[in-house]
Amino acid sequence: DIQMTQSPSSLSASVGDRVTITCRASQSITTSVNWYQEKPGKAPSLLIYAASNLQPGVPSRFSGSGSGTDFSFTISGLQPEDFATYYCHQTYNIPWTFGQGTRVEVK
Amino acid sequence: EVELLESGGGLVQPGGSLRLSCAASGFTFNNYAMIWVRRAPGKGLEWVSAIIGSGHATFYAASVQGRFTISRDNSKNTLYLQMHDLGADDTAVYYCAKYGGYALTYYYYGLDVWGPGTTVTVSS
Repeated sequence: DIQMTQSPSSLSASVGDRVTITCRASQSITTSVNWYQEKPGKAPSLLIYAASNLQPGVPSRFSGSGSGTDFSFTISGLQPEDFATYYCHQTYNIPWTFGQGTRVEVK
Repeated sequence: EVELLESGGGLVQPGGSLRLSCAASGFTFNNYAMIWVRRAPGKGLEWVSAIIGSGHATFYAASVQGRFTISRDNSKNTLYLQMHDLGADDTAVYYCAKYGGYALTYYYYGLDVWGPGTTVTVSS
């Protein structure tokens, strides 16, 4: 199985900050990584697909990059509604796997 | 509007069975693979199962292989997850999600629509 090691597991930030989360795959997965946001009591929502493509309707302050084994997700200018948990997710191989999640909290 | 709505969750005793359903609307259901993902209390997201658009190929996580069966009725725009021999580790919120492609062989899509989830609690 491909392991997705996501870091950090949590971080504290302020509105307006730039936040970066990383995900490392245990083997090369080209660019088959997606990023989701999850808020308490709500379903996850897709933000970035295929490593760097912004899902329609998602604000442009969200971005992703990377290929092979190393991927990053950035929020440029954190907004109050962005405090949530974020997950990376690989679709390169079955079984699909998720990172452990990164909780973005108010500083 | 594209929408998914799960149902069928509830409290079940260890060793019991449950069938989850997911009603889809607002898109051509049989054009897309469908997925079940779960989140256990205090844990992260876990992929459970997938089925391609035609229903002719299915995939499972090792943790549910042999106990869970995914299926779909394209005439009813509905996805199912039949669960048997449930244990405490199966306690979770179960989400159905739409994959961006027909099959899993093209892997540059994400799970672009999610239902609100249905809660399964396995306890005596």
